Amino acid sequence: NAGVTQTPKFQVLKTGQSMTLQCAQDMNHNSMYWYRQDPGMGLRLIYYSASEGTTDKGEVPNGYNVSRLNKREFSLRLESAAPSQTSVYFCASSVDRVSDTQYFGPGTRLTVL
Amino acid sequence: AQSVTQLDSQVPVFEEAPVELRCNYSSSVSVYLFWYVQYPNQGLQLLLKYLSGSTLVKGINGFEAEFNKSQTSFHLRKPSVHISDTAEYFCAVSAYGSSNTGKLIFGQGTTLQVKP
Repeated sequence: NAGVTQTPKFQVLKTGQSMTLQCAQDMNHNSMYWYRQDPGMGLRLIYYSASEGTTDKGEVPNGYNVSRLNKREFSLRLESAAPSQTSVYFCASSVDRVSDTQYFGPGTRLTVL
Repeated sequence: AQSVTQLDSQVPVFEEAPVELRCNYSSSVSVYLFWYVQYPNQGLQLLLKYLSGSTLVKGINGFEAEFNKSQTSFHLRKPSVHISDTAEYFCAVSAYGSSNTGKLIFGQGTTLQVKP
């Protein structure tokens, strides 16, 4: 039981390049989330998926797109990376209710030059 | 809308001393409250959460937190810390209501530094 896995662990991009961050969970959870973590700002929600086939914007969605490929997988895409997107990205999942615990992946550290 | 304020960005403390990490929140609706911990170079994991009932909540690793509705606070405490408690701690809230679907609002984080 791996929980929530993320790939890659580290990535360096040049401004304007694109990439996709992958996330998968094996807990049969319905809801999945993408956060970014920046120093002194805590975690901020980028996008979330309440269930397979649905996605919604969070606090900071600009510059990102997401795909809920199936119940297990939720990917985050940067179409044209900018230095402001340098951050640590976390994927999380939960059963479905607002009171449920979220389980986090180990994170992806992204640097945009 | 909800917001969370963690009143201390860093808390240094000596091993075996007690510690309190402070969290205040703002919300126009009822909320669920959480504390998550992040050890160096890892993801977050749940320490404890308040959903309803007793206002004193016990979590893992000897931590506890008290919900105070009148002061809109949810402070985290431990009576005796260990070196291994060195980590970043996040307070978070999630509002009642189906439209929120588990969205968490996090505070800025408090770094707990336990010194020998």
